[in-house]
Amino acid sequence: NAGVTQTPKFRVLKTGQSMTLLCAQDMNHEYMYWYRQDPGMGLRLIHYSVGEGTTAKGEVPDGYNVSRLKKQNFLLGLESAAPSQTSVYFCASTTRQGAIYGYTFGSGTRLTVV
Amino acid sequence: GQQLNQSPQSMFIQEGEDVSMNCTSSSIFNTWLWYKQEPGEGPVLLIALYKAGELTSNGRLTAQFGITRKDSFLNISASIPSDVGIYFCAGQNYGGSQGNLIFGKGTKLSVKP
Repeated sequence: NAGVTQTPKFRVLKTGQSMTLLCAQDMNHEYMYWYRQDPGMGLRLIHYSVGEGTTAKGEVPDGYNVSRLKKQNFLLGLESAAPSQTSVYFCASTTRQGAIYGYTFGSGTRLTVV
Repeated sequence: GQQLNQSPQSMFIQEGEDVSMNCTSSSIFNTWLWYKQEPGEGPVLLIALYKAGELTSNGRLTAQFGITRKDSFLNISASIPSDVGIYFCAGQNYGGSQGNLIFGKGTKLSVKP
């Protein structure tokens, strides 16, 4: 059972380039989340989804877009990367019933924008 | 929005020492969770608390849900080198905002052998 898988694990982008981060979960979870982690800032919620075809903004959504076309996948897009988006990105998921039991996190994508 | 204040930001301790960290909020939470993040990995759930006053242990870890429902603490007894990592508290009001977790900024723990 893979849990939550994020690809790629590392990426270097030039300013202005675009890319998509993929999160896949095999636990049939309804809820999925994208966070960014920066030193001293903890985990900040970018976007989340409570089901296939639905997305919502979190705390720091600017500069990012997301899509949840399939229940098991949650994609995070950067249309025009900026150095301020250099960060470690984490995906997480949980079931509607199990949300009070916390989230399962992926191992992260380290993104550097130069 | 809701915020969690987690302290201390970092700790440098000797192997064998006990560790204590805490989290406070201006808002009431229904659930408190404690996570550990090891270098290069995502956070992993350590302990979940669901009732005010609840005290729960997981091996050498003990966490408590504050009576006021606005705070929680985590203790680690007899620390060992593999305790190194960042510890996050998280609060949740299930039923609002799809039960989204609010995270503290983390306590970075370093253990000297």
